[in-house]
Amino acid sequence: QVQLQESGPGLVKPSETLSLTCTVSGGSISTYYWNWIRQSPGKGLEWIGYINYNENTNYNPSLKSRVTISIDTSKNQFSLKLSSVTAADTAAYYCARAGTVGGTAFDSWGQGPLVTVSS
Amino acid sequence: DIQMTQSPSTLSASVGDRVTISCRASQSISSWLAWYQQKPGKAPQLLIYTASSLHSGVPSRFSGSGSGTDFTLTISSLQPDDFATYYCQQYHFYPYTFGQGTKLEIK
Repeated sequence: QVQLQESGPGLVKPSETLSLTCTVSGGSISTYYWNWIRQSPGKGLEWIGYINYNENTNYNPSLKSRVTISIDTSKNQFSLKLSSVTAADTAAYYCARAGTVGGTAFDSWGQGPLVTVSS
Repeated sequence: DIQMTQSPSTLSASVGDRVTISCRASQSISSWLAWYQQKPGKAPQLLIYTASSLHSGVPSRFSGSGSGTDFTLTISSLQPDDFATYYCQQYHFYPYTFGQGTKLEIK
């Protein structure tokens, strides 16, 4: 049973870069699609983007100019960087796996820590 | 972006009831639709994929139907553990998008 665990700061200052890492255990990261999704009270669930083991990425156009997703197959981890954050980026950030069943539905999720943007 | 609209936003029901939640896409997404259940403070969990396929381990009282733009999630006989928020999500077009959620409350 694959497990995903996010790690990173829970508080980020405005204009700085939000950085999170997702560690995958119980399975290899060298297949499937590895996603970031966020959830805020104001905007509900929002897909941020994905990366696969070949480092192919796809980002939500609404965030594309500020987002970078990377992968480290040697550590079974993938990461999110979101630059120039504002209070509107305050949300729970989930990492999730897709591609095991029926296309790219998200079949496994991390716990989704809250990241607050505040000075 | 594809807009996903769920109805109702809130649904009050009793244990044993049969309930239906609707999801409409702003354009055809074929059958590339998933349903998730989310409980407070927890991550969403996949229930249904490709509109009608039950994810492994999900009770058979959950079922999904539809294609194109109109989809339905049905719970045949509500159990206490089913009171939660439900989301639909399309994965036919980028960016992937979610509905706004349906909160299922105890009557």
